[in-house]
Amino acid sequence: RKEVEQDPGPFNVPEGATVAFNCTYSNSASQSFFWYRQDCRKEPKLLMSVYSSGNEDGRFTAQLNRASQYISLLIRDSKLSDSATYLCVVNIRYSSASKIIFGSGTRLSIRP
Amino acid sequence: EAGVAQSPRYKIIEKRQSVAFWCNPISGHATLYWYQQILGQGPKLLIQFQNNGVVDDSQLPKDRFSAERLKGVDSTLKIQPAKLEDSAVYLCASSFQVSEAFFGQGTRLTVV
Repeated sequence: RKEVEQDPGPFNVPEGATVAFNCTYSNSASQSFFWYRQDCRKEPKLLMSVYSSGNEDGRFTAQLNRASQYISLLIRDSKLSDSATYLCVVNIRYSSASKIIFGSGTRLSIRP
Repeated sequence: EAGVAQSPRYKIIEKRQSVAFWCNPISGHATLYWYQQILGQGPKLLIQFQNNGVVDDSQLPKDRFSAERLKGVDSTLKIQPAKLEDSAVYLCASSFQVSEAFFGQGTRLTVV
C-alpha cells in the first residue's frame, strides 16, 4: 500500500464550481501535513499547511482527520488559474529524522 | 531569501552516459532531499540527507545512482550509466526540521 494515496483525477469542472480532493495516509507516525500545488513543467510549491482543527485560506479549506488518516482540500468559487496538479504531502517522524512523502497528485482543470 | 538552486536546468544525454546534478539548499536548512518526478506522477523520494548524513536512501537505485553532501550544504546526484527510464525531472528540496519542503526548479533529464 502506498504511504500517501490520492485520487489522480483528472477533475474537469466549470469556473465557479466547488471541488474537493481527498487524500489518505497509512503511517500513523505522520506528524504534519500539507497541500502543494504544481503547475505544468514547474516545481511543486506549498499551497497550505493542514492543521488538526482545519484551516482556511481564502477560497481554500483544508481538513485533517487523524483517526481516519484522511486529509481533504476544498476549493470554492474555482478560477481558471486554479488549474494545476494538487499534491498531498505528509511529513512522517522517525526516531532520528522526518521524511516528506508525496502523493501522486490530483489533476484539476477548470473550464470557462 | 534565496531559494533552492539547481543546475543544470536541462540535460540531454545518450543511454549509458553519466550525468551529475547539483543543488544548493536554502541557507540553514539541515535537511536536503532529492526527488525523481516522472511525467504524470508525484515526486518520488530518492535520498534524504540530514546535514551530511544519509537519513533514507531506500528508493535510490544504488547500482547506478549516487549522491553526496560532503560538507552538509550543497549536494550532487549522479547517474552512471543512465538508462532510458531515468528520463525525468530531478527535484532538489530542503527543509528546516519538521516543516514544509522548498523546491528548486529542477533538472529535466532526457535520456535518448
